[in-house]
Amino acid sequence: QSALTQPPSASGSPGQSVTISCTGTSSDIGGYNYVSWYQQHPGKAPKLLIYEVNERPSGVPNRFSGSKSGNTASLTVSGLQAGDEADYYCSSYAGSNNVVFGGGTKLTVL
Amino acid sequence: QLQLQESGPGLVKPSETLSLTCTVSGGSISSSSYYWGWIRQPPGKGLEWIGSVYYSGTTFYKPSLKSRVTISADPSKDQFSLKLNSVTAADTAVFYCARLTFGGVIDPWGQGTLVTVSS
Repeated sequence: QSALTQPPSASGSPGQSVTISCTGTSSDIGGYNYVSWYQQHPGKAPKLLIYEVNERPSGVPNRFSGSKSGNTASLTVSGLQAGDEADYYCSSYAGSNNVVFGGGTKLTVL
Repeated sequence: QLQLQESGPGLVKPSETLSLTCTVSGGSISSSSYYWGWIRQPPGKGLEWIGSVYYSGTTFYKPSLKSRVTISADPSKDQFSLKLNSVTAADTAVFYCARLTFGGVIDPWGQGTLVTVSS
């Protein structure tokens, strides 16, 4: 059960779009449509942004969207805002009620 | 709304057992639709799922931690607990408790509690 692979950093200017990738294997991302994304601001608990690949919980702006192709999932943040600057983590169901996380991506709004 | 709150010692000595409790309010852990779990985050590092428990007591652990972890549930108190034994400095982390769905969706999270392993 290895961690999912995310780029350590990503950046974009206000108003732009940025996409963060999350690569796993056929035992996690590729095997289930249970990919989630979390946003974490410094000193705060993570917040659920996306679940089941592309579903948004109530209250999450539609500027956040998710997708998946094969063993790789992606989070796209459109119309970047200063408040989007945070760490983003992907996770996937990995069978037998196990969960695996990505290493996290620090998003900087330039 | 559902809220979770971690409690326990903030300092544990090496080789001893780390013990934390999560108290759930605004709902019940006896729901058949959810698991209850622990996630940790070493300072400056990423998230790591430790394990989960169903209200009936069925547990699931991260394979690499399984030999040191025990998670239990007390539905009568709407609490669940984590024990991690033989701790070292590498176990220093913020520990979060959370509710999980069967697909591993984690929401909501507790605020987290920092546990430092040091003599």
